[in-house]
Amino acid sequence: NAGVMQNPRHLVRRRGQEARLRCSPMKGHSHVYWYRQLPEEGLKFMVYLQKENIIDESGMPKERFSAEFPKEGPSILRIQQVVRGDSAAYFCASSSRTSGGAYNEQFFGPGTRLTVL
Amino acid sequence: GQQLNQSPQSMFIQEGEDVSMNCTSSSIFNTWLWYKQDPGEGPVLLIALYKAGELTSNGRLTAQFGITRKDSFLNISASIPSDVGIYFCAGQPGTSGSRLTFGEGTQLTVNP
Repeated sequence: NAGVMQNPRHLVRRRGQEARLRCSPMKGHSHVYWYRQLPEEGLKFMVYLQKENIIDESGMPKERFSAEFPKEGPSILRIQQVVRGDSAAYFCASSSRTSGGAYNEQFFGPGTRLTVL
Repeated sequence: GQQLNQSPQSMFIQEGEDVSMNCTSSSIFNTWLWYKQDPGEGPVLLIALYKAGELTSNGRLTAQFGITRKDSFLNISASIPSDVGIYFCAGQPGTSGSRLTFGEGTQLTVNP
């Protein structure tokens, strides 16, 4: 059973370009979370999605960032017109359908390291 | 927003020594978690705590959920070289389906 898959593992973009980060959750998981990690810092929550729905986007920057989790295919985190400050590691996590009461572990992918030149 | 203060920021110890790190929060969490992150990888869950006062072990690791719901600690006994990495605490306001708030991490170095 494959874990959470993220691609690409490394992405280099020039300022002003677009970055697309993909996340395939673990089999059977319908909840996806995106986190950003700056060097030598902890992970910061960005957005929580279920299939075709954004549940909590309170951690997303108001401009240039968007996320989707379509009915078919991976979740996509899209960053338009990237700036140097967007350079970071972006992690995706997935969990199974909530059943109320019990903790559903968030399993993390290996991350995408974005470098903006 | 919620913040977690994790200490110490880094630790340099000899193999065989015990290690202790802790997290405090300005607000209450209903779930406390401890993760380990190796270079170039995502965090891996070590221990999850669900009840105030709960003490849970996983091999050489022991963690406790503080009575006030605003703190947690992680102990590692008899450290070994493969314990090297960054340890993060994380809090979750609910039990599932919600964001994790992470501490800033403790970088552990174990000298053989």
